[in-house]
Amino acid sequence: AQTVTQSQPEMSVQEAETVTLSCTYDTSESDYYLFWYKQPPSRQMILVIRQEAYKQQNATENRFSVNFQKAAKSFSLKISDSQLGDAAMYFCAYRNNYGGSQGNLIFGKGTKLSVKP
Amino acid sequence: DAGVTQSPTHLIKTRGQHVTLRCSPISGHKSVSWYQQVLGQGPQFIFQYYEKEERGRGNFPDRFSARQFPNYSSELNVNALLLGDSALYLCASSLSGFDKAFFGQGTRLTVV
Repeated sequence: AQTVTQSQPEMSVQEAETVTLSCTYDTSESDYYLFWYKQPPSRQMILVIRQEAYKQQNATENRFSVNFQKAAKSFSLKISDSQLGDAAMYFCAYRNNYGGSQGNLIFGKGTKLSVKP
Repeated sequence: DAGVTQSPTHLIKTRGQHVTLRCSPISGHKSVSWYQQVLGQGPQFIFQYYEKEERGRGNFPDRFSARQFPNYSSELNVNALLLGDSALYLCASSLSGFDKAFFGQGTRLTVV
């Protein structure tokens, strides 16, 4: 079974600075997606960024980028130029691309990010 | 376009009761998934439906059931509620179940 581990329950960053959130995962599959979701106090899960395992190039979305290390099964999220609105819970998630459970997301326990003005 | 909508937003039930949670997907989306998020944890997969057929089921007891209607909306039913069922229940929709999932704001269920 696949697992996702986020070892940082809480992180803090100064506004305009850079922060990196860590995520490791365990799988024996080779075809999968990895995601970072943001959950603000409004509770709605918002997709921040996603990475396909077969793509070696790290995904980027504006101020958000990932460091995907497939061999190490590591998938960290870097937030540059942090803004107050980035404060939220961040969840790392995994999804197989085949089999009977292709659409199921497997989430880590989350990292609470605080942004200091 | 409207996003994924869930109703109700909050709900308080007594142990042993039954509850029905509802989800309307984004227009054109044929897949709906349900997740349970206990306080302080990440969401746990409960069910996925595509074209009204169950495609996947997580490790939840038979007290949990779901269905998808011809208009692709979905219901999650939980029987014989336990205190441990208190959680945020999230619904996510996508075009096919393999692509980008969009989440609703969830239903906060409290069992007393």
